Amino acid sequence: AQSVTQLGSHVSVSEGALVLLRCNYSSSVPPYLFWYVQYPNQGLQLLLKYTSAATLVKGINGFEAEFKKSETSFHLTKPSAHMSDAAEYFCAVSNVDSSYKLIFGSGTRLLVRP
Amino acid sequence: GAVVSQHPSWVICKSGTSVKIECRSLDFQATTMFWYRQFPKQSLMLMATSNEGSKATYEQGVEKDKFLINHASLTLSTLTVTSAHPEDSSFYICSAKSSVSTDTQYFGPGTRLTVL
Repeated sequence: AQSVTQLGSHVSVSEGALVLLRCNYSSSVPPYLFWYVQYPNQGLQLLLKYTSAATLVKGINGFEAEFKKSETSFHLTKPSAHMSDAAEYFCAVSNVDSSYKLIFGSGTRLLVRP
Repeated sequence: GAVVSQHPSWVICKSGTSVKIECRSLDFQATTMFWYRQFPKQSLMLMATSNEGSKATYEQGVEKDKFLINHASLTLSTLTVTSAHPEDSSFYICSAKSSVSTDTQYFGPGTRLTVL
């Protein structure tokens, strides 16, 4: 069975500050891991994904995430927050055994203060 | 690339009527499409998986006679909410997985359904 835990339903940072959104996963087989962003009343946009290649993954809009097997984590970071980064962020896990069905975390709302 | 559209973007209907939502992959062939439901301020809940040319696979607790899914072509899947009731009001989002990049789902913009 797979699961995803996102610590912190809300994260607030100042513009220009480091963004860190936490994601821990559980998977009985090697996982595929994803971060998606959702703006109000819109669908999900893929930020980045880990599919067993490099453990440090770079995505769009300056975001990156590092896969740490020993910690079962896939935290999302960005060195300097912009106001436009304010949105809901979802971590998700899948694997080949589950036919790549995505299991989502509960989401983290990122607030960026001027 | 990898664009998925949904139509309509929002719909309001009366209780007891049926509503059809379309999901299209615009620039790739989608052998598999997924339908999700999202309640306000909550995560996405997978409703069903549809494969082109075969019956959809529904997740536990999802009524297949209530939520009819058809995946007639490699670029189109439809979700029909039959005899809609106010509790069916929600944000419905589809995603599509291409035959080439099988590990990634690309999401549509969602459809807001309000049942009066």
